[in-house]
Amino acid sequence: EDQVTQSPEALRLQEGESSSLNCSYTVSGLRGLFWYRQDPGKGPEFLFTLYSAGEEKEKERLKATLTKKESFLHITAPKPEDSATYLCAGGGAQKLVFGQGTRLTINP
Amino acid sequence: DAGITQSPRHKVTETGTPVTLRCHQTENHRYMYWYRQDPGHGLRLIHYSYGVKDTDKGEVSDGYSVSRSKTEDFLLTLESATSSQTSVYFCAISHGLAAPYEQYFGPGTRLTVT
Repeated sequence: EDQVTQSPEALRLQEGESSSLNCSYTVSGLRGLFWYRQDPGKGPEFLFTLYSAGEEKEKERLKATLTKKESFLHITAPKPEDSATYLCAGGGAQKLVFGQGTRLTINP
Repeated sequence: DAGITQSPRHKVTETGTPVTLRCHQTENHRYMYWYRQDPGHGLRLIHYSYGVKDTDKGEVSDGYSVSRSKTEDFLLTLESATSSQTSVYFCAISHGLAAPYEQYFGPGTRLTVT
């Protein structure tokens, strides 16, 4: 059975304190590993797609990396506006399996 | 903004009544999806469509039906709403079988069944 597991469930950081979120996956026929950001009361917002092990992508203070079993979302010197729930999903061409998310809070 | 709208955005209904949620896209994407999001369960796929009149079930399809008569519209129907269907419902779209495979989400519909 396809499965995506994210850890930790929640993370509190001080502004400027870098950290990483983890996404472990077992997805048959994986075509891509996806990261989304979700703010309260809104739909998930697409951040990155990673297609193969060793790939890295960056956007502002975020960098996503991929291995054969895990993906990491590294957050460097975060700001309060980075507070959100971050979702990871793995999938084939037609369907995605989502993890339950990591709720990130950045305190000023 | 991925050009996806959902209606209504909020709805309160009574147990046993039928409910239809609408997803409309302006992107001409082939694939459309309906998810529900609940605390402790994350996003779960209800049904998806890979073309006009072509649909398939997801992992939590019991109690739900869908229809797609036009490329731009994907309807989710609860034939007889139950309290367990209280949730936030998201529509998503994607290109489909060719990369990029990422899905883009609408703003959601909050449904409460009393």
